[in-house]
Amino acid sequence: EAGVTQFPSHSVIEKGQTVTLRCDPISGHDNLYWYRRVMGKEIKFLLHFVKESKQDESGMPNNRFLAERTGGTYSTLKVQPAELEDSGVYFCASSQLTRGLETQYFGPGTRLLVL
Amino acid sequence: AQSVTQLDSHVSVSEGTPVLLRCNYSSSYSPSLFWYVQHPNKGLQLLLKYTSAATLVKGINGFEAEFKKSETSFHLTKPSAHMSDAAEYFCVVSDWGNNNDMRFGAGTRLTVKP
Repeated sequence: EAGVTQFPSHSVIEKGQTVTLRCDPISGHDNLYWYRRVMGKEIKFLLHFVKESKQDESGMPNNRFLAERTGGTYSTLKVQPAELEDSGVYFCASSQLTRGLETQYFGPGTRLLVL
Repeated sequence: AQSVTQLDSHVSVSEGTPVLLRCNYSSSYSPSLFWYVQHPNKGLQLLLKYTSAATLVKGINGFEAEFKKSETSFHLTKPSAHMSDAAEYFCVVSDWGNNNDMRFGAGTRLTVKP
């Protein structure tokens, strides 16, 4: 079974540019999560999809970040315009059940560097 | 709100010696606790999880962790370190039944010397 995949693995962009990160969850997983680890800090929750609906986006830092999950399959996270403080590793995770004891399976992350 | 503290940012052990990675948590309710490991350029992999069943939890690759409510701890141990254990380890806490609200520790980087 294929795991969670993320694309690209690395992205280097200039301040003010736009970047779109993609996450493909494990097939059949209704829950999809985005997390971010800014350099030197802990991994923090950004948002949670259940199928195509945003269940919780309380962790989104500001309106420069836009997440979508059209069709309830893969998800994209767009940063527009990117700022220096957006640099970090963006993780995606997916899980099977809506509530309870589901395990979140993580992708390898996208390393974003904003210059 | 729940939180977790990993007491060591770096731990270095020799191959074949025991591993101890420390984690203390804070939670208002009955917590779920997890240990994840990240090898270079890989995703976070679940090592083990505690969800109010047995307090001693066995995970993959010989790791185990013990939930101690009185000490609010969930330390990760392994009797004998292997070179392949070198990685970064994350302790995670979540309120029961609310697994989207996972709080990560800052991570502990484990180095294994030959």
